[in-house]
Amino acid sequence: DAGVIQSPRHEVTEMGQEVTLRCKLISGHNSLFWYRQTMMRGLELLIYFNNNVPIDDSGMPEDRFSAKMPNASFSTLKIQPSEPRDSAVYFCASSSGGIGEQYFGPGTRLTVT
Amino acid sequence: GEDVEQSLFLSVREGDSSVINCTYTDSSSTYLYWYKQEPGAGLQLLTYIFSNMDMKQDQRLTVLLNKKDKHLSLRIADTQTGDSAIYFCAEREYNQGGKLIFGQGTELSVKP
Repeated sequence: DAGVIQSPRHEVTEMGQEVTLRCKLISGHNSLFWYRQTMMRGLELLIYFNNNVPIDDSGMPEDRFSAKMPNASFSTLKIQPSEPRDSAVYFCASSSGGIGEQYFGPGTRLTVT
Repeated sequence: GEDVEQSLFLSVREGDSSVINCTYTDSSSTYLYWYKQEPGAGLQLLTYIFSNMDMKQDQRLTVLLNKKDKHLSLRIADTQTGDSAIYFCAEREYNQGGKLIFGQGTELSVKP
């Protein structure tokens, strides 16, 4: 298996623009987690899904952020409009339950100027 | 709420043992994990321990769990320069659908 796939790997955009980050889960996994990592705040859980259903979105910073799972293997995280303080590395991770280990993608480095 | 704490930095000499410590607050944790993050990469699962175990060994890695003190440690024997990375401990919340609580990470620096 190719592991968790994220695209793009790097994104540079101007303030006010819409940004869409994409994630493909490992085949057979049914849980999906979106994280954000910055030097100041460390690793933060934004939202997670079980079987395509959002379970906890309490970590989503504000209404500018939205996440969807249009099918069991794919998810998007959208920021509209983007702001410089959204600059971070965004990771998605998937899990199949069991012992609960999460498999992380390589991340998307977002820079908002 | 639940919290996981780690020291931020550790520096060791190549060939020495490294011990990275972690404390957590959730007494109902079921599994605890150690992840490694190399520069520019995602987190990679190193090992895990079930909460009813005291110790787990996997090649150069030894995990010790003191459930009474809510203390978890990761010992890396014969530390190599390739072990330089950030190490995260995490706990799985009981009955929370697989959500993990991560510590802030310990940056391990291995000097030749």
